[in-house]
Amino acid sequence: DTAVSQTPKYLVTQMGNDKSIKCEQNLGHDTMYWYKQDSKKFLKIMFSYNNKELIINETVPNRFSPKSPDKAHLNLHINSLELGDSAVYFCASSQEGGQGDSGANVLTFGAGSRLTVL
Amino acid sequence: QKEVEQDPGPLSVPEGAIVSLNCTYSNSAFQYFMWYRQYSRKGPELLMYTYSSGNKEDGRFTAQVDKSSKYISLFIRDSQPSDSATYLCAMRRASNTGKLIFGQGTTLQVKP
Repeated sequence: DTAVSQTPKYLVTQMGNDKSIKCEQNLGHDTMYWYKQDSKKFLKIMFSYNNKELIINETVPNRFSPKSPDKAHLNLHINSLELGDSAVYFCASSQEGGQGDSGANVLTFGAGSRLTVL
Repeated sequence: QKEVEQDPGPLSVPEGAIVSLNCTYSNSAFQYFMWYRQYSRKGPELLMYTYSSGNKEDGRFTAQVDKSSKYISLFIRDSQPSDSATYLCAMRRASNTGKLIFGQGTTLQVKP
């Protein structure tokens, strides 16, 4: 039973198109994230939602719009796709809270959605 | 300069070797330090985390944090071919829950 599942796994599309990636977690976590991994495997946070509220919004073009209908789901919609958007997009979830050694807020990642823009 | 520096490798070792993976960082506010393992075409999975300085051991894996030197390490003893993967260090401040700053990852190959 997959803990964090993303769809689709692979997405090939033309420049200028609009596409969405969906994510669901069944861990009961209250926080979800989108991370982007570029071709050099560098992972960088894009967005974070806690109980449907946006709490982290890094410097990301406003063509990217996350939406969290409930705390178990987080979607990412991308408008007017560009070549530079080609990457692997990872969804992750965690449970906030705790202090010190118990406050690691460990992230569980999905398998990723590989986006290729032609 | 990146906040977290990690040699991308690749690193190739024979089966049974001791592997040492390292990261350096510049932000003294980091309090939580993690190591993730990522197999090809898969998502990162947490191996170990450490709060503040010190060592932590789990089976064949040992994580070390030296905050005075801003240096963290992951040691793998008796390495196995199944350890072949990319190892990503990650860290964050106490207040920035979930906002992990990752190193670039080191690709490790363990040859039988």
